[in-house]
Amino acid sequence: GNSVTQMEGPVTLSEEAFLTINCTYTATGYPSLFWYVQYPGEGLQLLLKATKADDKGSNKGFEATYRKETTSFHLEKGSVQVSDSAVYFCALSRVENNDMRFGAGTRLTVKP
Amino acid sequence: DAGVIQSPRHEVTEMGQEVTLRCKPISGHNSLFWYRQTMMRGLELLIYFNNNVPIDDSGMPEDRFSAKMPNASFSTLKIQPSEPRDSAVYFCASRQGQSNTEAFFGQGTRLTVV
Repeated sequence: GNSVTQMEGPVTLSEEAFLTINCTYTATGYPSLFWYVQYPGEGLQLLLKATKADDKGSNKGFEATYRKETTSFHLEKGSVQVSDSAVYFCALSRVENNDMRFGAGTRLTVKP
Repeated sequence: DAGVIQSPRHEVTEMGQEVTLRCKPISGHNSLFWYRQTMMRGLELLIYFNNNVPIDDSGMPEDRFSAKMPNASFSTLKIQPSEPRDSAVYFCASRQGQSNTEAFFGQGTRLTVV
């Protein structure tokens, strides 16, 4: 079936460290890929997206590149801040049926 | 627009009682999703609707769960009877257009079944 697998957390980093959160997907066709972020007590909000192979999504210093050959969409940030502490979700959506499925989420804690 | 509105924000109920969660999607959005979030299972897709029609309810855990979307501006998720293992945060999300567009989430309903 169609699914998303994220690296297990939690992830704890010091401020200004480099961040990578791995995401791989299984899907037929050409899904759109997303990263969402959830801050404590809130719903999810879109961080970035990519809709076709080799597209790079970026926002707030975060980046992810749609790699069809490796079915991956890893999230990266060069220098994290304490305010980036949150839960990050990778997601895919397929044009065939318009669903949207999420990975399990990765909790990131950034310490000063 | 006020965004996706869910009610109630918190619900505490006794085992065996009926629970109804409500969602008002963003006006003009044609897809609506219900998710359940727990520590053990993460964010599970329960059911989703396109143009008010249920498309896939394979994520609904049991017959105790049901969802309706009587019109484009309202949806409900009902649990009858509720059980302690149903305790979770339930999210509603909506979006406009095709699979490459952003889904907007409500703030969730935290359900506790005692």
